[in-house]
Amino acid sequence: AQKITQTQPGMFVQEKEAVTLDCTYDTSDQSYGLFWYKQPSSGEMIFLIYQGSYDEQNATEGRYSLNFQKARKSANLVISASQLGDSAMYFCAMREGRRFYFGSGTKLNVKP
Amino acid sequence: SQTIHQWPATLVQPVGSPLSLECTVEGTSNPNLYWYRQAAGRGLQLLFYSIGIDQISSEVPQNLSASRPQDRQFILSSKKLLLSDSGFYLCAWSASYSNQPQHFGDGTRLSIL
Repeated sequence: AQKITQTQPGMFVQEKEAVTLDCTYDTSDQSYGLFWYKQPSSGEMIFLIYQGSYDEQNATEGRYSLNFQKARKSANLVISASQLGDSAMYFCAMREGRRFYFGSGTKLNVKP
Repeated sequence: SQTIHQWPATLVQPVGSPLSLECTVEGTSNPNLYWYRQAAGRGLQLLFYSIGIDQISSEVPQNLSASRPQDRQFILSSKKLLLSDSGFYLCAWSASYSNQPQHFGDGTRLSIL
């Protein structure tokens, strides 16, 4: 089974609107970490946000928030007030111990 | 603060030539280190990871190898490159404890001619 599933290969959003990128994960561990990364066309992987499995509150970092639903094993990324510079690939990832697992990514296009 | 350096940024090599990509981390000790490859428009494929000096785990059988001669240095090598080795190579580090994230270098674009 896939450890990380991102079901949206591509998405469009209007500038200044909010967008949700979906991510589900599969693990039997009690302790794990969930992350989102942004990869612009230049290629670097930029860490956006982190959620620990024991964190009860959803993580937020500026315009990014992680909607963590543990029972459903989902960790969706919400970007508020989209900007043109948000156009990029977004990867969801999970850490189990020393291993990291990445989803296949969602390509987000922000329209002016 | 911690930083990760990866070089070179781009590399064009002929088939059959050797390869050496280097990655160093500053500002932390005993990090976990990782090499990934990414084909165009695709996700990340884990190649190697290391939990300590000379402790390397290989994830995918191939003609690449990795070495960790020092605590914060990770090297990806090949004796003879294949066309299929083309891609975008990313080095990353993570703390050896807790569930903290990985942090990536800027990557190396490798083209094999």
